[in-house]
Amino acid sequence: DVKVTQSSRYLVKRTGEKVFLECVQDMDHENMFWYRQDPGLGLRLIYFSYDVKMKEKGDIPEGYSVSREKKERFSLILESASTNQTSMYLCASSSSGSGNQPQHFGDGTRLSIL
Amino acid sequence: QKEVEQDPGPLSVPEGAIVSLNCTYSNSAFQYFMWYRQYSRKGPELLMYTYSSGNKEDGRFTAQVDKSSKYISLFIRDSQPSDSATYLCAMKGQGAQKLVFGQGTRLTINP
Repeated sequence: DVKVTQSSRYLVKRTGEKVFLECVQDMDHENMFWYRQDPGLGLRLIYFSYDVKMKEKGDIPEGYSVSREKKERFSLILESASTNQTSMYLCASSSSGSGNQPQHFGDGTRLSIL
Repeated sequence: QKEVEQDPGPLSVPEGAIVSLNCTYSNSAFQYFMWYRQYSRKGPELLMYTYSSGNKEDGRFTAQVDKSSKYISLFIRDSQPSDSATYLCAMKGQGAQKLVFGQGTRLTINP
């Protein structure tokens, strides 16, 4: 089974802090994704990466950055946290092999910015 | 207009009922269709994955795709309280990495 692990289930930070969310997958997947999930808005893609050191902006990249130094790890960085970044953050991964493989998700990090 | 429309519910049915969950979409390039189940405080879990039009069955679950109508469905037979969750449809085009999600339908199965 695919295992996507997010380092924290719950996180509380203060406005203006730099926040790091970590995600690790154990299936040697090429593609990794960061989403946020908000009531009434569904899942929105923040950033994704299709290879080490490669990144692409998603639909809502403002206020976020990412890092992918190793294939199995994809980090989401909130440069200066703000209250409107309080949300559930979900990491996902997928394989590029055989084309068109589905994404598999971690259990999410519920982040509160005070 | 959103690319993928899904009634957010909530939907509440008695145990044993047949449940029908649906999504409509506007982009004719979509060819790969997924249903995810998300329990409270958990991440989405892949339930069904289908390509192009047709039906796919897995136990009590059947996924149906009608590309001519741009309409996909998930049927749950003999529904159980453990099926209570939010169900998300998702889809993408050939070669695309990004998924487009529906808003999710919150389903409750009452014992």
